[in-house]
Amino acid sequence: DAGVIQSPRHEVTEMGQEVTLRCKPISGHDYLFWYRQTMMRGLELLIYFNNNVPIDDSGMPEDRFSAKMPNASFSTLKIQPSEPRDSAVYFCASSLTGRVKTDTQYFGPGTRLTVL
Amino acid sequence: GDSVTQMEGPVTLSEEAFLTINCTYTATGYPSLFWYVQYPGEGLQLLLKATKADDKGSNKGFEATYRKETTSFHLEKGSVQVSDSAVYFCALSDLGGYNKLIFGAGTRLAVHP
Repeated sequence: DAGVIQSPRHEVTEMGQEVTLRCKPISGHDYLFWYRQTMMRGLELLIYFNNNVPIDDSGMPEDRFSAKMPNASFSTLKIQPSEPRDSAVYFCASSLTGRVKTDTQYFGPGTRLTVL
Repeated sequence: GDSVTQMEGPVTLSEEAFLTINCTYTATGYPSLFWYVQYPGEGLQLLLKATKADDKGSNKGFEATYRKETTSFHLEKGSVQVSDSAVYFCALSDLGGYNKLIFGAGTRLAVHP
């Protein structure tokens, strides 16, 4: 299995530009998670999906952030317009059932975003 | 709200030294507890977990015991290797939403030959 795939691995953009991060979960996994990792705030859950439906987006920082999952094998996290404080590593993860007690979340390698 | 506190790093050890990384938590009820590891340039991987008090999770020579009385889940390894150099994250499951993980800040471990 290829694991969770994220693209791009690195993104450098200028303030005000739109940024789109992409994720392909492990085939057959029904849950997909987007996390953000920063020095100041550590690793935070932004949003998660079950069967392509957003279940909890309470971690999304503001309206500039949006996430979609048009099908079971693809999700995007979009930032528009981007700001320097959005610079972080963004991780996508997927799991079979979503129950962390009995299941495992598998993380992708992350996308390092730098907003100048 | 629920939270996880880890010892600050970096932790620097020589090969074959004993490792302890402290982790304490604050939570209502009895969450499950986890240790994740992040190797350079990679995503997080589950290292071990414990789902109830007094459970011991173990994997690859690492161990951690769920201590309810001290609200702790310290990570230990008897003899570290250079290949153990990574960032280690303690986490708990959010009882409010069982799919959620709450992570500590991470502790960087550097092991020298």
